[in-house]
Amino acid sequence: KAGVTQTPRYLIKTRGQQVTLSCSPISGHRSVSWYQQTPGQGLQFLFEYFSETQRNKGNFPGRFSGRQFSNSRSEMNVSTLELGDSALYLCASSPQGQTANTGELFFGEGSRLTVL
Amino acid sequence: SQKIEQNSEALNIQEGKTATLTCNYTNYSPAYLQWYRQDPGRGPVFLLLIRENEKEKRKERLKVTFDTTLKQSLFHITASQPADSATYLCAPGRGNKLTFGTGTQLKVEL
Repeated sequence: KAGVTQTPRYLIKTRGQQVTLSCSPISGHRSVSWYQQTPGQGLQFLFEYFSETQRNKGNFPGRFSGRQFSNSRSEMNVSTLELGDSALYLCASSPQGQTANTGELFFGEGSRLTVL
Repeated sequence: SQKIEQNSEALNIQEGKTATLTCNYTNYSPAYLQWYRQDPGRGPVFLLLIRENEKEKRKERLKVTFDTTLKQSLFHITASQPADSATYLCAPGRGNKLTFGTGTQLKVEL
């Protein structure tokens, strides 16, 4: 069974640009979550999608957005990039439905974004 | 607001010893707590889950405790090996929402 796939793995952008990151969850998983990881802040929750609907959202500005497609694949977009957006962006999938989710998250390898 | 605290300093131990990592939380009543391992440049990998009504959980050389009164979880690795060197993240959760700690780096030396 293939794991969570994130593309691209590495990218460099300049301030003011926008970026789109992609995540393909494990087959059959309907929940996709996005996290930002930086050395100082650790893993910060961005948002979670389930069946194409945003179910939870973290405390990030509106420049950060996402969506999920009918095949559960997800994308996140960051507009008007700032230097502080440099981070490892991790996607995690889970098979759990909305009623109860105490199960594990399956993470991808991440997309390393550098903003110059 | 919720606060999850893990030792920010790296933990260095000798091979064969037991490593103990601490996770403390405040302003939070998690229903369960998960532990993940993360290697440099990789995504976290799930290790163990313990629920609020469980005191202790074991898996091979790993043991996790969960004290809801102290608001603390302890993560133990017995007979540690150099291959156990990594960053370990705790993640208390309720419903479908996890909050991650910043992690503790473990280094197991020969």
